[in-house]
Parts: sequence; structure tokens; C-alpha cells
Amino acid sequence: KNEVEQSPQNLTAQEGEFITINCSYSVGISALHWLQQHPGGGIVSLFMLSSGKKKHGRLIATINIQEKHSSLHITASHPRDSAVYICAVVMEYGNKLVFGAGTILRVKS
Amino acid sequence: KAGVTQTPRYLIKTRGQQVTLSCSPISGHRSVSWYQQTPGQGLQFLFEYFSETQRNKGNFPGRFSGRQFSNSRSEMNVSTLELGDSALYLCASSLAYGTDTQYFGPGTRLTVL
Repeated sequence: KNEVEQSPQNLTAQEGEFITINCSYSVGISALHWLQQHPGGGIVSLFMLSSGKKKHGRLIATINIQEKHSSLHITASHPRDSAVYICAVVMEYGNKLVFGAGTILRVKS
Repeated sequence: KAGVTQTPRYLIKTRGQQVTLSCSPISGHRSVSWYQQTPGQGLQFLFEYFSETQRNKGNFPGRFSGRQFSNSRSEMNVSTLELGDSALYLCASSLAYGTDTQYFGPGTRLTVL
């Protein structure tokens, strides 16, 4: 079993829809990152959080440390949101990053 | 402020050769991390450097090595290349070691023939 599991693996949405991507982990962590990767490879860090909730524009990230679960929400989705979204946890001991497999999001207009 | 730069962007090598990749972090950032991305394994952590010291290492063979210079620039070296080393190699920089927002470079696409 992978230490970081993301769901769904693939997601197709219609423009304007509310989107949720989930990340579950089985190890102790000190923080969790949400990353966005567009075709061509460039990765952008969206959020780093260790508790609670963060919001940036149409993006919201939440984490529940007790349940070892995080969600990334996109409100009013747009075709430019089409990308791969990757969850990565910072291991509690050693500070190594362990990545989920990613969620491929396609938003249709 | 200039972003993270990586050179070269594309590289083709043959099995058995060695390769050196370079990463220049954002000015003022002292932590540099390296990652390998392949279609089969996804993103995997290689190592992290802070103030010229390797602080963390992932589960990669000793053929993968790196170093960081006093100006925080970092290099990674892969010796005795194998076909399976074909990947996108990404570096990321951050202000501090450990939990901090990481800023990624565009990556170096390595193809081993």
C-alpha cells in the first residue's frame, strides 16, 4: 500500500463545477503540500498546510490530521484549471517528501 | 526576482555514461531539493541540501549523488547511466530547510539510449 493515496486518478468536469480531490496518507507528517503540474512539466506549489484550512482565490485546501486526510477544492472550475494535481507529505521524521500519484483533471468548456 | 533555473533543459546520453545537472535556486534560498519524475513511478525524492550539507536522501542507489556550493547552487550527478534513469529531473528551492514552500524549476529531461 502506498503511503500517500490520491483519488480520483482521473476527473473530467464541466466548466463551473465544484471539484474535490482527496489525499489520504498513512504516515506521521509535519506538513502537506498540494502541487499543480501543467503539460510540459512545470510544477507550482499551491498550498502547504499542517492544520486547518487555506484559501487562495478559487482554491481551498483542508487537512484533518487526526483522520490523515486532506482535500483540495476548486470552485467555479475553468478550463485553465486542467492540470495534474499532486499531494505530497513531509514525513514527520526526516522531512522527506513522499508524493501521491496525482489526479489528472480536465475541465471542459 | 528570477525563478529557479535548471540546465540543461534536455539531455540525451547513452548507457554507461555519466551526467551532471545543475540547479540555481531563487536568490536568498538556501535549501535545494532534487526529484525524479517518471511515468511509472511518479515523483520521487532524491535528496535535499541546505547550506552545502546533504540533509536528506531518498531511496536511490549510490550512482545518484549531489552537492551544493557556497552560493547555494546545486548539482546532481548520475554515473553509469541505465535506461531506467530516463526521466524528468526537477529541483526546487526554499528559504529554509524542512517544511517550507518549495519553488520548482522547469526540469531537465534526460533520455538514456
